[in-house]
Amino acid sequence: DSGVTQTPKHLITATGQRVTLRCSPRSGDLSVYWYQQSLDQGLQFLIQYYNGEERAKGNILERFSAQQFPDLHSELNLSSLELGDSALYFCASSAQTGGGETQYFGPGTRLLVL
Amino acid sequence: EDQVTQSPEALRLQEGESSSLNCSYTVSGLRGLFWYRQDPGKGPEFLFTLYSAGEEKEKERLKATLTKKESFLHITAPKPEDSATYLCAVHGSGNTGKLIFGQGTTLQVKP
Repeated sequence: DSGVTQTPKHLITATGQRVTLRCSPRSGDLSVYWYQQSLDQGLQFLIQYYNGEERAKGNILERFSAQQFPDLHSELNLSSLELGDSALYFCASSAQTGGGETQYFGPGTRLLVL
Repeated sequence: EDQVTQSPEALRLQEGESSSLNCSYTVSGLRGLFWYRQDPGKGPEFLFTLYSAGEEKEKERLKATLTKKESFLHITAPKPEDSATYLCAVHGSGNTGKLIFGQGTTLQVKP
């Protein structure tokens, strides 16, 4: 158990809908990262927050947004869902930010868009 | 552009048959190379962090090594429970913690 929690574990929804994925980092970690894993793309970095502020962005679609709250939990919002958004979404956390820090991953949310 | 390439894509071993997985990387200024293990449908589980060429780390049957251009994950006398996908990642350029992952090597160890 990495100490990172994610809810829900599974999510099934329809195209055009909006969903929210939630992540609680390990106790004491200030950085939260979101990654998407699909069969053809592997693990892709989406976005990073550090102590409530956006720190880095990857190839995150405009339909996707995220935030980190004062208690350091984070939410990833996916809107206008398309079939291609079906994937595993992982949250990871680390103590600080910058290079060299180990990121610990949560169990993931499996999203299926029908 | 930062890049990570892992080989082979898949590896089948008999129990006890040692082998190595390769991770080649291109990054401007390595700040950390990471190995993770991932079981189907689960989150990546941290194994090792390596920071500089020549560094080695061991854990049970696994040993990770690092050179200036690649890293190896050596598996000695593997057991069926070592079957998983092994992911290599590097910290990308810039002052963030963004990880660049390889596509992984899927290892199957048969009894």
